[in-house]
Amino acid sequence: EADIYQTPRYLVIGTGKKITLECSQTMGHDKMYWYQQDPGMELHLIHYSYGVNSTEKGDLSSESTVSRIRTEHFPLTLESARPSHTSQYLCASSYSSYNSPLHFGNGTRLTVT
Amino acid sequence: QKEVEQNSGPLSVPEGAIASLNCTYSDRVSQSFFWYRQYSGKSPELIMSIYSNGDKEDGRFTAQLNKASQYVSLLIRDSQPSDSATYLCAVRDSSYKLIFGSGTRLLVRP
Repeated sequence: EADIYQTPRYLVIGTGKKITLECSQTMGHDKMYWYQQDPGMELHLIHYSYGVNSTEKGDLSSESTVSRIRTEHFPLTLESARPSHTSQYLCASSYSSYNSPLHFGNGTRLTVT
Repeated sequence: QKEVEQNSGPLSVPEGAIASLNCTYSDRVSQSFFWYRQYSGKSPELIMSIYSNGDKEDGRFTAQLNKASQYVSLLIRDSQPSDSATYLCAVRDSSYKLIFGSGTRLLVRP
């Protein structure tokens, strides 16, 4: 079972604040992903990384940014939070092989007031 | 046409029945297929993967793959109320991207 950790679990923050959502995995996975999901809605890929110093934007446009300085760490940053950023953010990781599934963290539920 | 299609449901079955969840995909070259379960407010968890045509069984779960017809299904035998969740089908396409369906909501009635 993959070990992938997200902090914080819940975050309530005011408009205009800068926030960083943390994601770390201990499985040595090359690939890491950020998804955004509203309640009852489908997953939307917002960022992914195939390795250190590699980051790409996903299918859904997002004002957030990511970095991948270490294999195990893939933080997501919002420079100025807005109420429209309220959502659940899910981090996932996988090996590079074609048959490797994604393993998800527990998610961060963000509320911007 | 979406790349991975699932009926949104809800699919309602009585406790003890077989629940059948279906998924179709558009990329003929896809070779890897996954089923995830997602409880409300939680993150998706992997329950099955399948790569070859035919059936793959794991406990009460059976995944079925038919590449010629481009569908993959998940059967849940002896359904329990605790199986009530959204089931996500995911398909690895020819560009190595993992494409998720929008999910089928399953309700198991006691």
